[in-house]
Amino acid sequence: DQQVKQNSPSLSVQEGRISILNCDYTNSMFDYFLWYKKYPAEGPTFLISISSIKDKNEDGRFTVFLNKSAKHLSLHIVPSQPGDSAVYFCAASAQQAGGTSYGKLTFGQGTILTVHP
Amino acid sequence: EAGVTQSPTHLIKTRGQQATLRCSPISGHTSVYWYQQALGLGLQFLLWYDEGEERNRGNFPPRFSGRQFPNYSSELNVNALELEDSALYLCASSRLGGSYQETQYFGPGTRLLVL
Repeated sequence: DQQVKQNSPSLSVQEGRISILNCDYTNSMFDYFLWYKKYPAEGPTFLISISSIKDKNEDGRFTVFLNKSAKHLSLHIVPSQPGDSAVYFCAASAQQAGGTSYGKLTFGQGTILTVHP
Repeated sequence: EAGVTQSPTHLIKTRGQQATLRCSPISGHTSVYWYQQALGLGLQFLLWYDEGEERNRGNFPPRFSGRQFPNYSSELNVNALELEDSALYLCASSRLGGSYQETQYFGPGTRLLVL
């Protein structure tokens, strides 16, 4: 049961254009979402997060949009740069009663982004 | 500020042996998490330690265990190694473990190969 899905295994974009990476989830208990970038042979690097009380969060070239009713989030990178080429993972966490954590992030399978010069 | 560090970077073991992987969290972080990324699979949650206690574990057999030391560093032990344990093991840390909105910061991983 894959609760977080990234349906596009790969995405190819020209330098300077927008990259849009998508993520869908099925568990309605998820209410905190994160995007990580991963280069080969390295650990994931945190990019940006969003709480379910928001529908948008922006940090420099990165913007995350959340559509709770559709259980969908997306990461926009504008403008895309060759150094953005990496695997991008979305992840989600759920809260227990009282707002405490299960400690567990549930990850999607990742999308390989290639930005061509 | 130093990030999460893990050792060793690579580990080769044979089936049936035990493996010990180590993790040092970011200074000031009290929670440590372990994840497994097997070939072709996503990151799977293994264990969460906070303030020296195991707080949650994923869907892995009991031969995956660990501990957290008073300085918040952590050890992951995998007993009776099987071929399918070959994977990248990632450690992450967060400042507080109690809030579900805590961001987890990852180390570079230990690549375990079981022959």
